[in-house]
Amino acid sequence: DSGVTQTPKHLITATGQRVTLRCSPRSGDLSVYWYQQSLDQGLQFLIQYYNGEERAKGNILERFSAQQFPDLHSELNLSSLELGDSALYFCASSPSGRPGRETQYFGPGTRLLVL
Amino acid sequence: QQQVKQSPQSLIVQKGGISIINCAYENTAFDYFPWYQQFPGKGPALLIAIRPDVSEKKEGRFTISFNKSAKQFSLHIMDSQPGDSATYFCAASPQHFGNEKLTFGTGTRLTIIP
Repeated sequence: DSGVTQTPKHLITATGQRVTLRCSPRSGDLSVYWYQQSLDQGLQFLIQYYNGEERAKGNILERFSAQQFPDLHSELNLSSLELGDSALYFCASSPSGRPGRETQYFGPGTRLLVL
Repeated sequence: QQQVKQSPQSLIVQKGGISIINCAYENTAFDYFPWYQQFPGKGPALLIAIRPDVSEKKEGRFTISFNKSAKQFSLHIMDSQPGDSATYFCAASPQHFGNEKLTFGTGTRLTIIP
């Protein structure tokens, strides 16, 4: 158990809808990362927050947004959902937000299915 | 653009054998190279990592070999066991603050057969 929690575990929704994925980092970690894992694309970095502020952006679509709250939990909002958004979404956390210098701890993921 | 190329896509190894997974990168700014292990239904977990100031790092049965001039690194699993059956991802990141993002390879599904 990494100490990172994600809810919900599974999510089934329809195209055009909006969903919110939630992540709580490990105790003491200030940085949160979001990744999308699909069969054909592997693990793709979406966005990173550090202590409430956006620190780095990856291949995140404009229909997706995220934020990190004062209690350090984070939410990933996915809107105008398309079939291709079906994937596993992982949250990871690390102490000081330096992915080139420290371990990222991954949560169990949220499996999103868009029908 | 795929900046970290990983091969093979899948690998079947006999118990007790050596499993070898290879990765190649393009970005010369990369200087942190972790390997993550993922079991079905779980998130990835750090297995072992290397920085380019050494050519090899060993932790138990797991070894990373690093070739800076060739821009390649590989994971060797000695005496492979059925419990090693998982998907393995290589990754890379620069260490320069403000430019640090982990770029992952596409993964290798390893199956160890008895």
